[in-house]
Amino acid sequence: KNEVEQSPQNLTAQEGEFITINCSYSVGISALHWLQQHPGGGIVSLFMLSSGKKKHGRLIATINIQEKHSSLHITASHPRDSAVYICAGRAQGGSEKLVFGKGTKLTVNP
Amino acid sequence: NAGVTQTPKFQVLKTGQSMTLQCAQDMNHEYMSWYRQDPGMGLRLIHYSVGAGITDQGEVPNGYNVSRSTTEDFPLRLLSAAPSQTSVYFCASRYYRADSPLHFGNGTRLTVT
Repeated sequence: KNEVEQSPQNLTAQEGEFITINCSYSVGISALHWLQQHPGGGIVSLFMLSSGKKKHGRLIATINIQEKHSSLHITASHPRDSAVYICAGRAQGGSEKLVFGKGTKLTVNP
Repeated sequence: NAGVTQTPKFQVLKTGQSMTLQCAQDMNHEYMSWYRQDPGMGLRLIHYSVGAGITDQGEVPNGYNVSRSTTEDFPLRLLSAAPSQTSVYFCASRYYRADSPLHFGNGTRLTVT
């Protein structure tokens, strides 16, 4: 079992819909990254969270360290949001190692 | 700033050949790391460095070697390429502080025949 599990694996939405992608982890982590990988392969960091909630434009990320769960929300989704979204946990205790989920492939149709 | 630059973008090797994947960053980041991405596996950490002269192993280090002689550069060496090393390789860097985001290179697609 992967230490970081994402759900769903694949998600198809209509433009304008509210999107939620979930990330659960079985190990204690000190922080969690949300990444976006474009169809061309490039990876961009969206958020780095250690507690609470962060918002950037139409993207919102939340984390509950004690419950070992994080969510990424996209409001008013758009076809340009189509990408693979990846969460990655940084282990507790000062570790520099990241453990990645396998990604959620999002397709937003016009 | 160029950010994180990886070269080459594509490479085909024969089994047993060696090569070096280059990674350079111009943001004065202390932390640099190499990942491989395989279908159905997600990204996996190969090696990382928290500063010049300091390197450590990640999840899948076998068959790879790294060194960090400068802050800017973190090359990844394949000592004797194997078909199992066919993958897409990403380099990433960040500041060595808890809230710093990762900056990724554009990736190197390596095929070993």
